[in-house]
Amino acid sequence: EAEVAQSPRYKITEKSQAVAFWCDPISGHATLYWYRQILGQGPELLVQFQDESVVDDSQLPKDRFSAERLKGVDSTLKIQPAELGDSAMYLCASSLSGRSRTDTQYFGPGTRLTVL
Amino acid sequence: TQLLEQSPQFLSIQEGENLTVYCNSSSVFSSLQWYRQEPGEGPVLLVTVVTGGEVKKLKRLTFQFGDARKDSSLHITAAQPGDTGLYLCAGYNFNKFYFGSGTKLNVKP
Repeated sequence: EAEVAQSPRYKITEKSQAVAFWCDPISGHATLYWYRQILGQGPELLVQFQDESVVDDSQLPKDRFSAERLKGVDSTLKIQPAELGDSAMYLCASSLSGRSRTDTQYFGPGTRLTVL
Repeated sequence: TQLLEQSPQFLSIQEGENLTVYCNSSSVFSSLQWYRQEPGEGPVLLVTVVTGGEVKKLKRLTFQFGDARKDSSLHITAAQPGDTGLYLCAGYNFNKFYFGSGTKLNVKP
């Protein structure tokens, strides 16, 4: 069964350093999502791609976060510089179209970021 | 902002008990999904409901979408330790999913 891949699974960094997360969605999925999840809470959407275009990044702190999906396939989320408050789980998900109310989001295992 | 409030926030019960989790909003949604997330993993879709008043059953889990499509409930009958996890509702509008605050369920053997 196809899965969403994410790496690394865990990342420990010091504040002011740069970090990057990678996501490989399920093949053929047009929509890719990056979420941030504080332990025990619901995921918060950071950015949503439709193919290679950003369709929603309203909650992305653009002064320090950037995301790209250059060829409409895999994606990278970067934080520079990292702050203590960025410690969280970063989840990537993909869905077939992103334009259907019955679309299923398939989530990767996430990257657990700890900023010291 | 289309907020989804879930209640209760935490629930700890004994194996065999029944429980209900609620997902409420002031916004109308085109569909409502329920996910379960286990520690260290991503959420996994359980069900999608699209019609007001719709009821879906998945083994011991019963999902209901409110008549006005603003709220939903998840009922688990005879809970088992394997049901332990974080339950998330997600509403869909305008090509975007909005996640609820989550209900953390612990079922003790």
